[in-house]
Amino acid sequence: NAGVTQTPKFQVLKTGQSMTLQCAQDMNHNSMYWYRQDPGMGLRLIYYSASEGTTDKGEVPNGYNVSRLNKREFSLRLESAAPSQTSVYFCASSVRYEQYFGPGTRLTVT
Amino acid sequence: RKEVEQDPGPFNVPEGATVAFNCTYSNSASQSFFWYRQDCRKEPKLLMSVYSSGNEDGRFTAQLNRASQYISLLIRDSKLSDSATYLCADHNYGQNFVFGPGTRLSVLP
Repeated sequence: NAGVTQTPKFQVLKTGQSMTLQCAQDMNHNSMYWYRQDPGMGLRLIYYSASEGTTDKGEVPNGYNVSRLNKREFSLRLESAAPSQTSVYFCASSVRYEQYFGPGTRLTVT
Repeated sequence: RKEVEQDPGPFNVPEGATVAFNCTYSNSASQSFFWYRQDCRKEPKLLMSVYSSGNEDGRFTAQLNRASQYISLLIRDSKLSDSATYLCADHNYGQNFVFGPGTRLSVLP
């Protein structure tokens, strides 16, 4: 039981490049989330998916897209990376009100 | 004003001390509250949920004050291993979790 896994762990992009962050959970949770964490800002919700086939915007969705591929997988795509998207990205899944986080992806956009 | 606010610290306390953190929330409709622990360069992990009547888990006690809209976390007999950042979060039915910026705790030998 791996919990929530994320790939890659680290990534450096140039401005304008695109990439997809992958997330998978093996806990059979319906809800999944993408957050970014910046110093002094706490965790901010980018997108979430309450169940397979649905996605909704969170607090800071601009510049991102998501896909809930199936119940297990929820990916986050940056179509044209900007330096302001330099951050640590966490995926999470939840059962009731308990959230379980993946180990995070450290993204730097130069 | 942010929906969930915390004193960022750092709180530097000696081993064995008692330390308390407060967290205020602005959404009076929030129903559920939580404390998470985050170690340096790691993911947040749920420490405990906060119940209306208050709850205790070993050396940790969480309290909710709905009238003043804050939750608190008390750590007794601090250990070196308690050094981490503590995040509070609230949740409103139909919405999502909102996290505070975290309070950093350093327990010193």
